[in-house]
Amino acid sequence: GENVEQHPSTLSVQEGDSAVIKCTYSDSASNYFPWYKQELGKGPQLIIDIRSNVGEKKDQRIAVTLNKTAKHFSLHITETQPEDSAVYFCAASKNQGGKLIFGQGTELSVKP
Amino acid sequence: ETGVTQTPRHLVMGMTNKKSLKCEQHLGHNAMYWYKQSAKKPLELMFVYNFKEQTENNSVPSRFSPECPNSSHLFLHLHTLQPEDSALYLCASSPDKASGGDSTDTQYFGPGTRLTVL
Repeated sequence: GENVEQHPSTLSVQEGDSAVIKCTYSDSASNYFPWYKQELGKGPQLIIDIRSNVGEKKDQRIAVTLNKTAKHFSLHITETQPEDSAVYFCAASKNQGGKLIFGQGTELSVKP
Repeated sequence: ETGVTQTPRHLVMGMTNKKSLKCEQHLGHNAMYWYKQSAKKPLELMFVYNFKEQTENNSVPSRFSPECPNSSHLFLHLHTLQPEDSALYLCASSPDKASGGDSTDTQYFGPGTRLTVL
């Protein structure tokens, strides 16, 4: 079945540095790739998403890149702040009833 | 976070109890989902409802019984659970409108119910 691998599982950066989280997917038919941020005690919140017809999307300090050939997509956070500390999940879908396949999550810690 | 609400936020139950989790979405969406989130594991899709009809049952044991009386409400009825069922149960909704499943839309999650089975 479809699989999404996410790395690293934990990431610690200094405030102001950049953070990069990478995901690979197995099903080449996947065409929708959202990223979610989950803070302690809360449900996952969508922070950015990308569809397969574009290679990059940016929203202020957050950007996502997609390499369809390699079946990779990545989340980039620049100028990290302590409030960016959370668990981040990538996911992939192929437009079939909204079924999302999630990665294992990355626990990001931004140290002041 | 008020778009999708879940109650209760925390639940402790014994293995012989019967309880229900409730989810309500105020976003006008047509699809609703139950996920299980265990420590160190990816989110596991349990059930999908589209226009009140169940379209996905991801090999979930029968001790979990979903109910979707309308597009805004989703329940998960729990009966004779096991300690390994302890987890965070998340509800989500999306504006998926395609009965044939051709449209994938963003899913919005509730805060979850933290379930502990003793």
